[in-house]
Amino acid sequence: DQQVKQNSPSLSVQEGRISILNCDYTNSMFDYFLWYKKYPAEGPTFLISISSIKDKNEDGRFTVFLNKSAKHLSLHIVPSQPGDSAVYFCAASAPQGAQKLVFGQGTRLTINP
Amino acid sequence: KAGVTQTPRYLIKTRGQQVTLSCSPISGHRSVSWYQQTPGQGLQFLFEYFSETQRNKGNFPGRFSGRQFSNSRSEMNVSTLELGDSALYLCASSLALGVGYGYTFGSGTRLTVV
Repeated sequence: DQQVKQNSPSLSVQEGRISILNCDYTNSMFDYFLWYKKYPAEGPTFLISISSIKDKNEDGRFTVFLNKSAKHLSLHIVPSQPGDSAVYFCAASAPQGAQKLVFGQGTRLTINP
Repeated sequence: KAGVTQTPRYLIKTRGQQVTLSCSPISGHRSVSWYQQTPGQGLQFLFEYFSETQRNKGNFPGRFSGRQFSNSRSEMNVSTLELGDSALYLCASSLALGVGYGYTFGSGTRLTVV
């Protein structure tokens, strides 16, 4: 049972435009959400997170939005840059799930010049 | 400071063999988690160790095991390898238990079972 889903395996965006990556979850106990970015041959690196008590968190070009009623979160990257081309994973954790993170399958973002 | 170090980077094993992967966390980090990444499945949680004790375990068969040493270094072992065990195995370290402390991932060990 996939509790965290990223339904778009890939996304292609023009440089300078907005990239929107989406993530849906099913477990209402999730209270903390994170986005990771992964380049080939490297481990995932933390990008941004959001607690369920918020609906938006911003860090430079990256903004994460959380819609708890829809069990949906999204990552906005504005403006998109070629270095943003990578695989993006959303992850979630629940207080009763101890410390483990539940990851989505990932979305491969390609920024075209 | 040095990041999370995983060894070896690449490994080829034959079905039925066993394998041991190693993870050295960031100095001072006491929590180590292991994840398996396969195409289409994302990252799946294997287990987490803190202070030499397994604190949490994912839904993997008993062929997957791990341990943590007093210096926080961790190893995971897979016995009786199957073709489906081919994956990227990632280790993540954290200062302590709790997602708020953040996880730093290593570059992973790419295991190929033939």
